[in-house]
Amino acid sequence: GAVVSQHPSRVICKSGTSVKIECRSLDFQATTMFWYRQFPKQSLMLMATSNEGSKATYEQGVEKDKFLINHASLTLSTLTVTSAHPEDSSFYICSAPLRKLNTGELFFGEGSRLTVL
Amino acid sequence: GENVGLHLPTLSVQEGDNSIINCAYSNSASDYFIWYKQESGKGPQFIIDIRSNMDKRQGQRVTVLLNKTVKHLSLQIAATQPGDSAVYFCAENQGGNTPLVFGKGTRLSVIA
Repeated sequence: GAVVSQHPSRVICKSGTSVKIECRSLDFQATTMFWYRQFPKQSLMLMATSNEGSKATYEQGVEKDKFLINHASLTLSTLTVTSAHPEDSSFYICSAPLRKLNTGELFFGEGSRLTVL
Repeated sequence: GENVGLHLPTLSVQEGDNSIINCAYSNSASDYFIWYKQESGKGPQFIIDIRSNMDKRQGQRVTVLLNKTVKHLSLQIAATQPGDSAVYFCAENQGGNTPLVFGKGTRLSVIA
């Protein structure tokens, strides 16, 4: 079963509104969560690392005031796209730094596809 | 930042032939190297991984080769099938609480 659950899987919103994406760790506690963004026909790019109980760490070029990350508990990290615009339309996916046994594979959420009209 | 202006390279192969997808990685401190397959509209799907202390690992129909000298990783798919058509990404990781860093990706197109 899923170890990391992400919601919603799809969201369509109007330009100027804010959208919240949730990433939950199931059956384990995650002090850290990674958020990625993937534009069409491009690779997954790390946006930020959320840290439980402290500020998120953002990658260069990612606006922290636009992409608000909150990691208020050990099982929930949220990404809020504020004042969304069409150029924010993308696939957003979270990942927990929990490795499957004897592999390098990290657990990913199912991803959230955001379309801003 | 985003890879503005970059598009995925495409590899086209005949069904039944072998495919080789290449990747150059950047961090010599990376300990894990992973290949992911991504189909349209879905998240990345794990294929195979290899640790830095190995140079070859085989799975079912897939083989990953690691050349640390030139920081090169490859994925070989034997007897490529139409269901293998997807975008393939390599990723590297230093282990512990570090994130995966993804390569640019290659689109594999299988011609029936």
